[in-house]
Amino acid sequence: GQQLNQSPQSMFIQEGEDVSMNCTSSSIFNTWLWYKQDPGEGPVLLIALYKAGELTSNGRLTAQFGITRKDSFLNISASIPSDVGIYFCAGANTGANSKLTFGKGITLSVRP
Amino acid sequence: DAGVIQSPRHEVTEMGQEVTLRCKPISGHDYLFWYRQTMMRGLELLIYFNNNVPIDDSGMPEDRFSAKMPNASFSTLKIQPSEPRDSAVYFCASSLQRRKLFFGSGTQLSVL
Repeated sequence: GQQLNQSPQSMFIQEGEDVSMNCTSSSIFNTWLWYKQDPGEGPVLLIALYKAGELTSNGRLTAQFGITRKDSFLNISASIPSDVGIYFCAGANTGANSKLTFGKGITLSVRP
Repeated sequence: DAGVIQSPRHEVTEMGQEVTLRCKPISGHDYLFWYRQTMMRGLELLIYFNNNVPIDDSGMPEDRFSAKMPNASFSTLKIQPSEPRDSAVYFCASSLQRRKLFFGSGTQLSVL
């Protein structure tokens, strides 16, 4: 089946730094989503991307839909302590039985 | 607006007991999803419904797992009998567009 790869599993940054995460797939997707999960809570949608090459921002977050449609990137600028959490990418295609496939997530730690 | 509501938040039970997890989706959403999250496997889709009808239950691990959606505002996931390997966080999610999922806070299940 389709798999999404997110690495590394954990990232440690200093408050104020920028951080980039990427997500790659062996298959093409026509939708990419980025979610964040806080401890003890469910994932929350951050950004949705629907077109190859699309670049979308949400505050300090910027995500891009890769041209090949096999990858996506999430950038967080000027990190703050509340950015701590697990960041998941997810991909999907159109079609009656299309499912959302999730990566295993990257745990982000921000040192004050 | 209320988000996806799950109950209970925590469930501790003994092996062999029946467990029922409950979910109230966001009003007006026509898709409902049940996911299981573990450290080893990440987020796994168990089953999803469209307009209260089960569409794909291929992720349900065994016959011990069953899910129902008797109406648009309620769904249950039942495990009978439960086993220690069922211990995980179970999430319910709903959506209006199939890909933009909104997750509940999850049920942390521990089977002793």
